Parts: sequence; C-alpha cells; structure tokens
Amino acid sequence: DIQMTQSPSSLSASVGDRVTITCRASQSISSYLNWYQQKPGKAPKLLIYAASSLQSGVPSRFSGSGSGTDFTLTISSLQPEDFATYYCQQSYSTPCFGPGTKVDIK
Amino acid sequence: QLQLQESGPGLVKPSETLSLTCTVSGGSISSSSYYWGWIRQPPGKGLEWIGSIYYSGSTYYNPSLKSRVTISVDTSKNQFSLKLSSVTAADTAVYYCARLWIYTMRENWFDPWGQGTLVTVSS
Repeated sequence: DIQMTQSPSSLSASVGDRVTITCRASQSISSYLNWYQQKPGKAPKLLIYAASSLQSGVPSRFSGSGSGTDFTLTISSLQPEDFATYYCQQSYSTPCFGPGTKVDIK
Repeated sequence: QLQLQESGPGLVKPSETLSLTCTVSGGSISSSSYYWGWIRQPPGKGLEWIGSIYYSGSTYYNPSLKSRVTISVDTSKNQFSLKLSSVTAADTAVYYCARLWIYTMRENWFDPWGQGTLVTVSS
C-alpha cells in the first residue's frame, strides 16, 4: 500500500504570507496527486488535480508542483478565507489521503 | 450544477448495519466519465476512502473495509448507497459521498462532495 505523509502537520501564518505544504508518497506516484481544502464543519473542496492543474474557480494564488514522491502546495499570498486544513490524495492506486495540514492564524 | 446529498440514520447500534444513500441532482449518475464514491472522516481525524462504484454497478473497495462494505447504484433514482456491516464505535464518522472524475485509470479526483452526514455508533 502507498502511504502518504504531510509536513508540517500544522502551521501558523499571517495574511499575506507565502505558505508551502509538502506531501510525500511512500513510492513513486508519478503526477497522480490531488489537493483538497477543508474548512471546519464543511466538506473538502478540490483545489489542485494531477499535481499541478488548478481546478476551475480556484484562485490563482494556489499552485501545486512535484512528481514522483515529493509534492508541494503553495499559497502565494495567504488570505483570511484560506485558513483551513489541507489534504493531499494519491490516485495512482487505491485512493489514499494524507493526514492533513492545518493552517491557522498567527 | 451537480449536487450530492447524503441521507440515512444518524445513530446505529453496535454490530448492526450502517446504511446511507447519496442522491445526485443536477446531472446524471449514468455518465460514462465518472465513478461515485464514499469517504468518511472520524471526528477530529483525517479522510478515509471507503469505496467507489460505476453506474454499471462495477465496484472497488478499500481493502481494509472490503469484508464489511457493499456499495450499490440505482440509476432510475439517480442514487447510490453504502452499507457497512458489523459496525463498532470506530465507525463513528462523518460520511461523505462524492463524484469521482475519471480522466484516466490513475488520473482521477473527487469533485464535488456532498455536505456529509454524521453517523454515530452507540447503544
């Protein structure tokens, strides 16, 4: 089974900060990696698919990169509505989510 | 705009079977481009994929839950359903249904999601 890890597990940041979240797979998954945002009490929302493709309607301050085993989600300038938990998910094999990274206000 | 809505009992007794239905509106469940999936999230924890189904009835399940899970589809009602047997307190979670976009066999993603429904396992 492919295991997913994320770092950090949580971070504190200020509005306007550049934020980077890392996701690592236990084996190569090519570019089959998706990113979701989840706010408290809400369903996850797709941000990025296939490692770097921005889902329609998602602000351009979100970007994804990486391939193989190492991936990053970057928020170029953190906005108040971006405080949430972010999950990566591999689709190379049986769907599996990372443990999440919580982004809160500094 | 496609919408998904979960429904079913919010309380299930231990050892019994959890049953949920996802109703799809704003689009057809019979599209060849999608699978349909169930994902759950225990309170305060991460996301766990349960299984997915194609409109033809083809299914695939999380190996860790496979022995207890059945997912079915009713195209006439534009619904798909989840049954999880022999539940314990560890099955207490918010259960989400979602559309699984299939671009290729490996290139796929969940979007959109239903709002989720909390199922508590307790006597």
